[in-house]
Amino acid sequence: DIQMTQSPSTLSASVGDRVTITCRASQRISSWLAWYQQKPGKAPKLLIYKASTLESGVPSRFSGSGSGTEFALTISSLQPDDFATYYCQQYSSYYTFGQGTKVEIK
Amino acid sequence: QLQLQESGSGLLKPSQTLSLTCAVSGGSISSGAYSWHWIRQPPGKALEWIGYIYHTESTYYNPSLESRVTISIDRSKDQFSLKLRSVTAADTAVYFCARGATAPTYFDYWGQGTLVTVSS
Repeated sequence: DIQMTQSPSTLSASVGDRVTITCRASQRISSWLAWYQQKPGKAPKLLIYKASTLESGVPSRFSGSGSGTEFALTISSLQPDDFATYYCQQYSSYYTFGQGTKVEIK
Repeated sequence: QLQLQESGSGLLKPSQTLSLTCAVSGGSISSGAYSWHWIRQPPGKALEWIGYIYHTESTYYNPSLESRVTISIDRSKDQFSLKLRSVTAADTAVYFCARGATAPTYFDYWGQGTLVTVSS
């Protein structure tokens, strides 16, 4: 099994801040990584796939980077709608998700 | 706009069988370009992939659940289904259906999710 480890588990930030969430894979997954945003009581929403490709309709303040085992999701200027939990997901071998990073208001 | 909607049993007793259906609208489940997945999320925990099916009825399951899971498809109704046998409290979760591209893939459309509770 490929394990995905996100950090931090919780991130406190203010509107306008630049925030970065990291995701580490237990083995190399090339660029087979996606990022999702989930709000309470809702389904996850796809933000980024293939590590850095922005899904259609997703604001350009979201960006993804990395390959191999180290990945990052960056929000360039945090907006009120961005307070949520974010998950990474690998699709190199079966499918596994990280444990999530909650972005909360500071 | 593609939409997915889960339905099925919400409250089960231990050892029973969980049965859920995902109805797909706004597109055909028979498209060869897509895979149809089940994913679950225990309360307050992370997401866990359960398995998927193609329109050809080929299936792939999470090895940790494979002995208890069956996913099937009904192309005439544009829906696919999940059965999970011998449930325990550990199977309590919100169950989502989702669409993926040809595997391996990410998930671009999701249902709203349905809570299944296992309790005696």
